[in-house]
Order: sequence, then C-alpha cells, then structure tokens
Amino acid sequence: AQTVTQSQPEMSVQEAETVTLSCTYDTSESDYYLFWYKQPPSRQMILVIRQEAYKQQNATENRFSVNFQKAAKSFSLKISDSQLGDAAMYFCAYRNYGGSQGNLIFGKGTKLSVKP
Amino acid sequence: NAGVTQTPKFRILKIGQSMTLQCAQDMNHNYMYWYRQDPGMGLKLIYYSVGAGITDKGEVPNGYNVSRSTTEDFPLRLELAAPSQTSVYFCASSHQTGNQPQHFGDGTRLSIL
Repeated sequence: AQTVTQSQPEMSVQEAETVTLSCTYDTSESDYYLFWYKQPPSRQMILVIRQEAYKQQNATENRFSVNFQKAAKSFSLKISDSQLGDAAMYFCAYRNYGGSQGNLIFGKGTKLSVKP
Repeated sequence: NAGVTQTPKFRILKIGQSMTLQCAQDMNHNYMYWYRQDPGMGLKLIYYSVGAGITDKGEVPNGYNVSRSTTEDFPLRLELAAPSQTSVYFCASSHQTGNQPQHFGDGTRLSIL
C-alpha cells in the first residue's frame, strides 16, 4: 500500500521569506500523481499544486513550486515571498495513475505559521 | 456554481444515535468520496463511488454506510454512533481520476458524546 510521510509537524517562516515543506512517499508504481493541498483555519481543502510522475519538469504555480525527485520519492513544496495568508495546514497527497478508486492518500500535514 | 455542498456543518450526537451526512455536487462528477480527518492526521478514505449505483469501501468503512442513487448526491450514514467516530468529515468529487483535482466540501464537524 502507498504511504505519504510529512516529517515536519510544524514550520515557521518570516513574511516575504522562502520556506520548503518536505514530503516523501512510498509506492511500487511508476506512474502516479502528487498534490499539495492547503487547509486554512476555515477548514477548506484547497489545491495548491499538482505533479505528474511522468513529467520531469517541476510544477510551478505563481509563488509555489515543487522539487520532485522521483528516484528519492520526494516531493517538497517551496513557497516564495511568503504572505500572511499562506498560514495554514499543508497536506501532501498521492494518487495512483490507474485503478478504479482514484482516491487521494494523504500525509499527516505540516502546520505553517507566517510571522509578520 | 456551488461545487460540493455538505450539510450540516456541525453536529453533536449521543452515543448510539444515528444520522446522515449529506453531500451534493453540481459539477456532474462521476467520482465521489467520503474522508474523515482526525486531529493531527491527514484525511482517510471511508467510502467512494465511481457513479450512480456503484459504491465501495475505502480504508476505514466500519460503522458507516453510503448510497449513490443519483450522480449529484452521496450521503454518508452513521449507525449507532460511537465516540471513535468523532471527527471532521469531508466529501469530495472529481470528474475523472488521474491528475484531475478533487473538489472538497467545507466539511462536517461531528462530535459523539
């Protein structure tokens, strides 16, 4: 079974600085998808960024980018120019390429605080 | 578009009571999911559905039941509520699997006392 591990329960960053959140995963599949979701105190689950395993190029979305290392099974999220609104729980998630379920497998999350 | 709508947002139940958590989506998505989120944990899959009339168990199905009579609705039934079912419940939907994002409802915070 696939697993997702986020080894940093909490992280803190100064406003306007850069922070990197770590995520590793375990799978025997060669094709899959990876996601980062943000959960602010409002409890909403908001998609931040996604990566297809067959793509070598790292995904970017404005101030958010990933460092995808397939061989190391690592998928870290970098947030540049951190803003107060970035404070939230961040979840790394894995999804199989095929199969009938299509469900996400989540890590335990990293709580990010942004200091003014 | 409303997206994924969950009701209620909060509920307190007594041990042994039953209730249904409602989930509706207006995006014509085939895939729908129920997850639970315990404190300090990520979301875990309870049940999922790949279309009307088709449901299957996820990782933590015990104590729950689902039905999918229409594409839009995917209610989650708790029978004989237990304290271990105290959690936040999320419903999600997606058009396809793969890299298609799952759209989440705002969650239902359920306490069993």
